[in-house]
Amino acid sequence: GQQVMQIPQYQHVQEGEDFTTYCNSSTTLSNIQWYKQRPGGHPVFLIQLVKSGEVKKQKRLTFQFGEAKKNSSLHITATQTTDVGTYFCAGGSNDYKLSFGAGTTVTVRA
Amino acid sequence: DSGVTQTPKHLITATGQRVTLRCSPRSGDLSVYWYQQSLDQGLQFLIQYYNGEERAKGNILERFSAQQFPDLHSELNLSSLELGDSALYFCASSVAGSPNQPQHFGDGTRLSIL
Repeated sequence: GQQVMQIPQYQHVQEGEDFTTYCNSSTTLSNIQWYKQRPGGHPVFLIQLVKSGEVKKQKRLTFQFGEAKKNSSLHITATQTTDVGTYFCAGGSNDYKLSFGAGTTVTVRA
Repeated sequence: DSGVTQTPKHLITATGQRVTLRCSPRSGDLSVYWYQQSLDQGLQFLIQYYNGEERAKGNILERFSAQQFPDLHSELNLSSLELGDSALYFCASSVAGSPNQPQHFGDGTRLSIL
């Protein structure tokens, strides 16, 4: 079945630095979604990418969908303490399942 | 507030017991999804219902079952509970049945098996 791999598992970032988390699928995806889960909270939908090569920005967050629709990335610039949490990518397929990656847990050093 | 309501928030029970978790989706959403999140683990998809019918099944154990009622609320039944079933169980809802729709998560039910 479809698997979505996400790296790195943990990201320790100095406040103000940039970082990127990556998501890779073994199969072509219909879409990729990104969610953020704050400590003690529930996953919250951030964005959805559908088109090959699509790039979307939300303030300091840049999301990309690969040309082959098998990988995606989330790049955060000038990390702030409010960015702390776990970022999940989730790949959609044609079998009505959304497969979540294991997540990248981000901690920020002030 | 996502608009998805899950009850109870916490549940403590013993091995061998049976529990029922309840979820009310956002107003207007027809799909309900159930996920299991163990400590330091990702989200494991269990099952999806769309407008009362089972739409997709993930890694759901035979001891677990779910249903969606005519008013669209859903229940997840966990029986013959084992220590390993201790986890956070999330319900999510979306407008339609497609995996292309964003999902809105409830606050979860934390299940502890003693």
